[in-house]
Amino acid sequence: QVQLQESGPGLVKPSDTLSLTCAVSGYSISSTNWWGWIRQPPGKGLEWIGYIYYSGNTYYNPSLKSRVTMSVDTSKNEFSLKLSSVTAVDTAVYYCARKTSGYYPFEYWGQGALVTVSS
Amino acid sequence: DIQMTQSPSSLSASVGDRVTITCRASQDIGSWLAWYQQKPEKAPKSLIYAASGLQSGVPSRFSGSGSGTDFTLTINSLQPEDFATYYCQQYNTHPLTFGGGTKVEMK
Repeated sequence: QVQLQESGPGLVKPSDTLSLTCAVSGYSISSTNWWGWIRQPPGKGLEWIGYIYYSGNTYYNPSLKSRVTMSVDTSKNEFSLKLSSVTAVDTAVYYCARKTSGYYPFEYWGQGALVTVSS
Repeated sequence: DIQMTQSPSSLSASVGDRVTITCRASQDIGSWLAWYQQKPEKAPKSLIYAASGLQSGVPSRFSGSGSGTDFTLTINSLQPEDFATYYCQQYNTHPLTFGGGTKVEMK
């Protein structure tokens, strides 16, 4: 059973860097899948942030690309998101998810982590 | 970016009803279309992949159809646990994009 669990600070100050980690269990992160991040501002829809392959290849949403960095730690079976220079509009629930390679969308999701940007 | 437009944005229905939600892409995405169900305070759940493929464990009352730019999610005989918000998502082209959501409420 694949399980994903986000962790990180729930409160980040404006202009700081948001950092989240997604721990993967029940499945090796070193497989032919993409490991992604999606966010959802309170009461709003879903926005794809980007994803990373186990080898380190990445695709980022151009709207966030200048501020986003994703990485994979195969030794810990986890992957991470960093979003720099945050403002209040970055307040959202952040989900990590697995996209199976090929013809499949995001099949497995974490429970989500609310990150609030406020001083 | 490919824009995904869902309609309606909300609907009211009763248990046992047949519900249809549509999703239109701003350009051809082939069959690279997924549908998700989201309940309050929960992560989205994958229902349909490749426009019409039923995800493992998803009840057969859910079905998807379409290709190119026009897609449909149908729920036959709506059940109490189906009241939720539904999102479509294209994964043909980066950036991946979602529709705005359709909230299915109890009449």
